[in-house]
Amino acid sequence: ELKVEQNPLFLSMQEGKNYTIYCNYSTTSDRLYWYRQDPGKSLESLFVLLSNGAVKQEGRLMASLDTKARLSTLHITAAVHDLSATYFCAGQGGSEKLVFGKGTKLTVNP
Amino acid sequence: SAVISQKPSRDICQRGTSLTIQCQVDSQVTMMFWYRQQPGQSLTLIATANQGSEATYESGFVIDKFPISRPNLTFSTLTVSNMSPEDSSIYLCSVLGGRGADTQYFGPGTRLTVL
Repeated sequence: ELKVEQNPLFLSMQEGKNYTIYCNYSTTSDRLYWYRQDPGKSLESLFVLLSNGAVKQEGRLMASLDTKARLSTLHITAAVHDLSATYFCAGQGGSEKLVFGKGTKLTVNP
Repeated sequence: SAVISQKPSRDICQRGTSLTIQCQVDSQVTMMFWYRQQPGQSLTLIATANQGSEATYESGFVIDKFPISRPNLTFSTLTVSNMSPEDSSIYLCSVLGGRGADTQYFGPGTRLTVL
């Protein structure tokens, strides 16, 4: 059974700083997803990582996947306040089902 | 990407009643799912909505409590039956396939409060 662990669960950082969110998963996952959720909103798809070594970047966010280590990272570069949100990673188990981590609540302070 | 709508967007219901949530997609999709997000928590899969057949439920979720229909490739409903305050959550449908077939997209969610 696929299990997904994220850390940290809470992250407070200053604008302009860099940080990384980690996502470990327990068994083979066909894909690894990253989503963003703003308070009171639904999930916005950020990245889907399909293979070992995959790296995707959008603006100040970069996601990578290491299937051998069963690890994905979401790196934040030069954070800005607009990035404040909760970020979820999710692995894909059998039958396309997603198993979510607990989420990382990111607060970027001026 | 697929455009997903849900109705209602929110509701406040009395204990013991039932609520049916609708999920409509703007294109035919291969798979549709229903998730629950309890307050301050992550998402948990309730079931996979299968077109033309019974839904596939995850451990801890049963058809009598969460009946699901999927009459075609663009529409599904989730009913939350005999509600209790513990059912207060956000219910989200997600889809895979169709436009944007490489990722799962989520609907806007239905925020349910049970008194």
